[in-house]
Amino acid sequence: AQSVTQPDARVTVSEGASLQLRCKYSYFGTPYLFWYVQYPRQGLQLLLKYYPGDPVVQGVNGFEAEFSKSNSSFHLRKASVHWSDWAVYFCARGNTGGLSGKLTFGEGTQVTVIS
Amino acid sequence: EAAVTQSPRSKVAVTGGKVTLSCHQTNNHDYMYWYRQDTGHGLRLIHYSYVADSTEKGDIPDGYKASRPSQENFSLILELASLSQTAVYFCASKQGADNQAPLFGEGTRLSVL
Repeated sequence: AQSVTQPDARVTVSEGASLQLRCKYSYFGTPYLFWYVQYPRQGLQLLLKYYPGDPVVQGVNGFEAEFSKSNSSFHLRKASVHWSDWAVYFCARGNTGGLSGKLTFGEGTQVTVIS
Repeated sequence: EAAVTQSPRSKVAVTGGKVTLSCHQTNNHDYMYWYRQDTGHGLRLIHYSYVADSTEKGDIPDGYKASRPSQENFSLILELASLSQTAVYFCASKQGADNQAPLFGEGTRLSVL
């Protein structure tokens, strides 16, 4: 089945340290890919999106992600984490050439920031 | 500013009762979606619509109906609410192109007792 997998349910990181969140997708072709962040009791906010092109995508708040077709991955990175990055992060995949615009989401990674 | 507004923000319903969740967007977007989020899980698509007066089934439509009376409004209807439908529900809208990212509302927290 075509899916999105985030293998790490929870990640704890020290403030100021680097962060990497993993995302693996399965898709017959090159998909559109997205990272969203969900702060406590809020909706999802878009961090960045990937369309076929440059594999490294820059997002908001210092986040970037790198697409790898050979690894079927779209990992999210941040060089220096701030306490305000405490949130749940979702990777999502869209279909190219489809009509619905549907997204398939991973299960999310809870990021906890410690001082 | 682009916005998706959901109402109510939270609701407590009784088992077997009817529940209507409403969504309004001011973005002139063609597509609207209803997703469900369960604790510890990602979002799953219930229904969506790409034009007024038409709705389509998503991945988990059973027990839900949807209504799109205008481009701006999209409702999710639970005719007979059940305990298993306790969840957070998100509405989203987006432009028609596949490479556009949906814009999400703040969610409705539904508890069915």
